[in-house]
Amino acid sequence: EVQLVQSGAEVKKPGESLKISCLGSADTFPKYWIGWVRQMPGGGLEWMGIVYTDDSDARYNPSFEGHITISADRSLSIAYLQLNSLKASDTATYYCARRGDYGIYFDSWGQGTQVTVSS
Amino acid sequence: SSTLTQPPSVSVSAGQTARITCSGHAVPNHYAHWYQQKPGQAPVVVIYKDNERPSGIPERFSGSTSGTTVTLTISGVQAEDEADYYCQSDDSSGSWMFGGGTKLTVL
Repeated sequence: EVQLVQSGAEVKKPGESLKISCLGSADTFPKYWIGWVRQMPGGGLEWMGIVYTDDSDARYNPSFEGHITISADRSLSIAYLQLNSLKASDTATYYCARRGDYGIYFDSWGQGTQVTVSS
Repeated sequence: SSTLTQPPSVSVSAGQTARITCSGHAVPNHYAHWYQQKPGQAPVVVIYKDNERPSGIPERFSGSTSGTTVTLTISGVQAEDEADYYCQSDDSSGSWMFGGGTKLTVL
């Protein structure tokens, strides 16, 4: 069973930056794409972007480009989501998820990281 | 950018069949996938590539496609199926997208 373990909940102030991590395992992380999904309170799922763990090739949803950075450290089996210049509207749960073997979908998800941005 | 449209809510009595639709222009040319999300939990894929069921997902979950619409069908709905359901696909630019989600209520 694939396990993705995300870093814990965060409380930040507007204007600050934040880096969330997503830890995989050595046998399930290499040569996979790891994506990030935002879910605002009471809202739906939004695809933010995705990164290839072997070379950190990242693709972004244009709606988030410039506000986030997605990266990966293959040696540590960790993917990262960095959120810059946080606003109250960044308050949400952020999920990492692994792209499936058989297509463009997510077959495994992290438990989610709750981020609260408040002054 | 492409969008996927789902009904906000579907209600069905236990034991009946629930059908949740997802429409979008990208659907005919790109596979659709379905996720179930229960309150406080991460989503779980229940159907991938239009109609494939991952191991561990009950047989009562199935998927189909017709034109610009894909449908998730849950036959013999059980109380435990009450959840939010999201379709997901991709487009020719390489972007992924989710539908707005459908809340399934089991009466």
